[in-house]
Amino acid sequence: RKEVEQDPGPFNVPEGATVAFNCTYSNSASQSFFWYRQDCRKEPKLLMSVYSSGNEDGRFTAQLNRASQYISLLIRDSKLSDSATYLCVVNTPGGYNKLIFGAGTRLAVHP
Amino acid sequence: DAGITQSPRHKVTETGTPVTLRCHQTENHRYMYWYRQDPGHGLRLIHYSYGVKDTDKGEVSDGYSVSRSKTEDFLLTLESATSSQTSVYFCATTGDTEAFFGQGTRLTVV
Repeated sequence: RKEVEQDPGPFNVPEGATVAFNCTYSNSASQSFFWYRQDCRKEPKLLMSVYSSGNEDGRFTAQLNRASQYISLLIRDSKLSDSATYLCVVNTPGGYNKLIFGAGTRLAVHP
Repeated sequence: DAGITQSPRHKVTETGTPVTLRCHQTENHRYMYWYRQDPGHGLRLIHYSYGVKDTDKGEVSDGYSVSRSKTEDFLLTLESATSSQTSVYFCATTGDTEAFFGQGTRLTVV
């Protein structure tokens, strides 16, 4: 089993739609969680960190469920510019700050 | 953006030759990573470093070695390149939490 698993996608949605991505992780001792965005042929960039209480940044909402070892990302009112691959990232414990990435979920927003 | 530079940005090499990729950071970050990215696999960790001369293997370390003699430089070496190592390689660094990435190196082994 992979340490971090995501919906593979692709998700094809119209502008204005709400879309949700899910991610599960296998190590219950994981401590930090992130969503990264990656545009085609570019490096990944941080979209948002995920906190236990959940957090929101404009149209984006991230949730963490430690009991189920589950992370989610909700995008409301999708824009064409949201088209990208979204990567779930988990920081594994052990003191060495090892970041493990999911395979990514591709989102395509169409007019 | 964090100051992370990868070199070269593109390289074509022949099977069996050694190849070294360089990652240079100006952020004085303790942790540095090398990932490879292939279609359908996302980013897979090759090796990482938690300090000068302190390195450890990731999930796909076979055929790769690394060295970190200075805080700012993390080198990835393919001892004898194979076609299966054709990929896009990303270097990353972290301070406390967020990871910053270099722009990637596209390596083709023919």
